[in-house]
Amino acid sequence: AQSVTQLGSHVSVSEGALVLLRCNYSSSVPPYLFWYVQYPNQGLQLLLKYTTGATLVKGINGFEAEFKKSETSFHLTKPSAHMSDAAEYFCAVRGSNYKLTFGKGTLLTVNP
Amino acid sequence: DTAVSQTPKYLVTQMGNDKSIKCEQNLGHDTMYWYKQDSKKFLKIMFSYNNKELIINETVPNRFSPKSPDKAHLNLHINSLELGDSAVYFCASSQDAGGNNEQFFGPGTRLTVL
Repeated sequence: AQSVTQLGSHVSVSEGALVLLRCNYSSSVPPYLFWYVQYPNQGLQLLLKYTTGATLVKGINGFEAEFKKSETSFHLTKPSAHMSDAAEYFCAVRGSNYKLTFGKGTLLTVNP
Repeated sequence: DTAVSQTPKYLVTQMGNDKSIKCEQNLGHDTMYWYKQDSKKFLKIMFSYNNKELIINETVPNRFSPKSPDKAHLNLHINSLELGDSAVYFCASSQDAGGNNEQFFGPGTRLTVL
């Protein structure tokens, strides 16, 4: 079985500030980890994923995430927030079965 | 040239009715999924088909019945709709059922049961 915990249901940052969205996971096998973004009234879009290899993964729109096995974390960062980054962000883990398990999401608001 | 499409986008209906949501993907993928997103944005897998065979069947009331006529389509039929069925339903697809594959999501169907 696997699970995902996203710390902070709502994160608010100023435009140009660092974005940090936290994700911790549990998995009985080496996990595959994903971050998805959902803009209002739209479906989910993949930002980035970790499968194997390099633990720092870069995604679209300037986002990146680092897989830390010892901390069971996969936090999402972006050095400088843009107004267009305002959206709901979901961390997800895929473990020993076919299922993708999502966290409860973090709403990112960007203030001008 | 939409990758994963769903119809209808909005569905408003009365309790007790039967309704269907259709999903089509033109990506040539083998695996398709149905997710339910509740009012708190929590996203949960309902079903998954790989090459038209059911591979995931979560604890979902048997009023929900998926049907995959071919690899490109996965429809969701709901009988005797209840208030609690109100949610946004997302269809998704992936190249195959492998764990490292990205899932591509449709735009969602907002179901409101009155």
